[in-house]
Amino acid sequence: SAVISQKPSRDICQRGTSLTIQCQVDSQVTMMFWYRQQPGQSLTLIATANQGSEATYESGFVIDKFPISRPNLTFSTLTVSNMSPEDSSIYLCSVGGQGVPMEAFFGQGTRLTVV
Amino acid sequence: SQQGEEDPQALSIQEGENATMNCSYKTSINNLQWYRQNSGRGLVHLILIRSNEREKHSGRLRVTLDTSKKSSSLLITASRAADTASYFCATRSTGANNLFFGTGTRLTVIP
Repeated sequence: SAVISQKPSRDICQRGTSLTIQCQVDSQVTMMFWYRQQPGQSLTLIATANQGSEATYESGFVIDKFPISRPNLTFSTLTVSNMSPEDSSIYLCSVGGQGVPMEAFFGQGTRLTVV
Repeated sequence: SQQGEEDPQALSIQEGENATMNCSYKTSINNLQWYRQNSGRGLVHLILIRSNEREKHSGRLRVTLDTSKKSSSLLITASRAADTASYFCATRSTGANNLFFGTGTRLTVIP
């Protein structure tokens, strides 16, 4: 299993500003995943963060808007840049889901409200 | 999109009743998993069923998988108020690294 500490748990931000979300894992993992969950919706993968290389972004998400850092095998950050009210969502980091163990583990999520 | 569809979108039952949620997906999979989410928090893994399995049990949970129909169901027996949450199915396609999540079922168990 893996324990993920994600912070902040929630924030209210002004439009045009940026917020950086941090995830710390209690073990070394190759891949970390960042998801967005818009109000009442399912999870959508933003990007996959690998240590030592550029993150891989899914269609509809770009590095300028969601820059990701992965400085080591236990830590990653996601920045939501130049925020607008449409960015109001829950952001979740995750590890696992492939290999052994097959189940994924999630941080507690960051509930972002942009005003 | 590889996202699965779940139904119903919302389900409200009395405590003690059984709750059944269904999930359909689109691609070939290695396994299908069910997760629970309380009040917009992080997801918690409930159960995993491999593509060569048809049924699996864990406590009050029963999962079935029909790969020919690309569908799965989650049954929660003898529901409790504490089961109130959103439930998501998730699949990992062959060769993919990440999970794709279904649209979710919001379950409310009334005491």
